[in-house]
Amino acid sequence: NAGVTQTPKFQVLKTGQSMTLQCAQDMNHNSMYWYRQDPGMGLRLIYYSASEGTTDKGEVPNGYNVSRLNKREFSLRLESAAPSQTSVYFCASSATGTSSGNTIYFGEGSWLTVV
Amino acid sequence: EDQVTQSPEALRLQEGESSSLNCSYTVSGLRGLFWYRQDPGKGPEFLFTLYSAGEEKEKERLKATLTKKESFLHITAPKPEDSATYLCAVQANSGNTPLVFGKGTRLSVIA
Repeated sequence: NAGVTQTPKFQVLKTGQSMTLQCAQDMNHNSMYWYRQDPGMGLRLIYYSASEGTTDKGEVPNGYNVSRLNKREFSLRLESAAPSQTSVYFCASSATGTSSGNTIYFGEGSWLTVV
Repeated sequence: EDQVTQSPEALRLQEGESSSLNCSYTVSGLRGLFWYRQDPGKGPEFLFTLYSAGEEKEKERLKATLTKKESFLHITAPKPEDSATYLCAVQANSGNTPLVFGKGTRLSVIA
């Protein structure tokens, strides 16, 4: 059971470089999410996609873009990385509108350092 | 604005010493309250969902309860392997509102 898979797990970027974090889920979930987690700040939502073809901003969207490529895949792009984007990034997914509610299942995280 | 506050920030227990973690929330109509466990270097792992006041759920040494304003995660006779950060999150009962997370309680259980 793969669940939610993120790549890469670790990445170091220089300020101004761009990169894309990839995420795929194999649970046939409709909704997908990108969170960042910083010490003392908890999990904060960057962007989410309620269903294929839709994306919405979360709490901290500035400096990021997303693409819902298909039902399985949801990528997060940093166009011009800044040191403030040093963080741990988590992709997650949930089945919307099922009897199990909207339980979110997380990937293992991607550690990004911007120098 | 939906809000979740967890207390204490950190808790240190001796093995076998039972205690409770608190999650206070403010939400415009609760669809669900979620508890997760997060180990260092890992993603959050789902534990429980509670939907209405008075509901309780149990898993091994953990029991989650819910009132209209807060939830408690009771840990009975904890073991060192229960050491982790416990996260609480709420979802509002409006459309497909994403979860709002608290900052977590870091639990250490000492043998």
